Amino acid sequence: DVKVTQSSRYLVKRTGEKVFLECVQDMDHENMFWYRQDPGLGLRLIYFSYDVKMKEKGDIPEGYSVSREKKERFSLILESASTNQTSMYLCASSPNRGPRQPQHFGDGTRLSIL
Amino acid sequence: AQTVTQSQPEMSVQEAETVTLSCTYDTSESDYYLFWYKQPPSRQMILVIRQEAYKQQNATENRFSVNFQKAAKSFSLKISDSQLGDAAMYFCAYRSVGFDSNYQLIWGAGTKLIIKP
Repeated sequence: DVKVTQSSRYLVKRTGEKVFLECVQDMDHENMFWYRQDPGLGLRLIYFSYDVKMKEKGDIPEGYSVSREKKERFSLILESASTNQTSMYLCASSPNRGPRQPQHFGDGTRLSIL
Repeated sequence: AQTVTQSQPEMSVQEAETVTLSCTYDTSESDYYLFWYKQPPSRQMILVIRQEAYKQQNATENRFSVNFQKAAKSFSLKISDSQLGDAAMYFCAYRSVGFDSNYQLIWGAGTKLIIKP
């Protein structure tokens, strides 16, 4: 089974802090994704990566950056956390074998910015 | 741009009964994939079922089946013999097959399914 591991289930940070959310997958998937999930809005794509050191902006990249130095790891960075970034963050991965392949998700990180 | 709409923020059903969750989408493409994902409370999002647009036959997975109406751009999920473990948020998602899509998913807002014992 595919395993996508997010480093923290719950995280509390303060406004202005630099925040790192880590995601690791163990299935050698090429594609990795960071989503933000808010009630009534579904999942919104922040950034995705289709290869090491490659990244593409999603629908809501403002205030975020990402890093993919190794194939298995995709990090989301909040450069200067703000209260409106309080949310659930989901990491996902998928293989690059066509659109039929589902995305596999981590457990999510519930981030609170105080 | 494609959009996905789930018009039911919340649904409830009696245990052992059947429930249908609605999903409509908007696209000008003829070939695409549709997915239903399930997110139980405090647990991982998992794939429930997928449908390929060029296949007319509705997908089924045990107690889960879809009613795919391509012309109407409708993709509803039917859960038969509802069980307590079916309680979750259900998300409908669309995926283009175009080369410039990077296989991104377009998500609906979700439907919370409550199972009454």
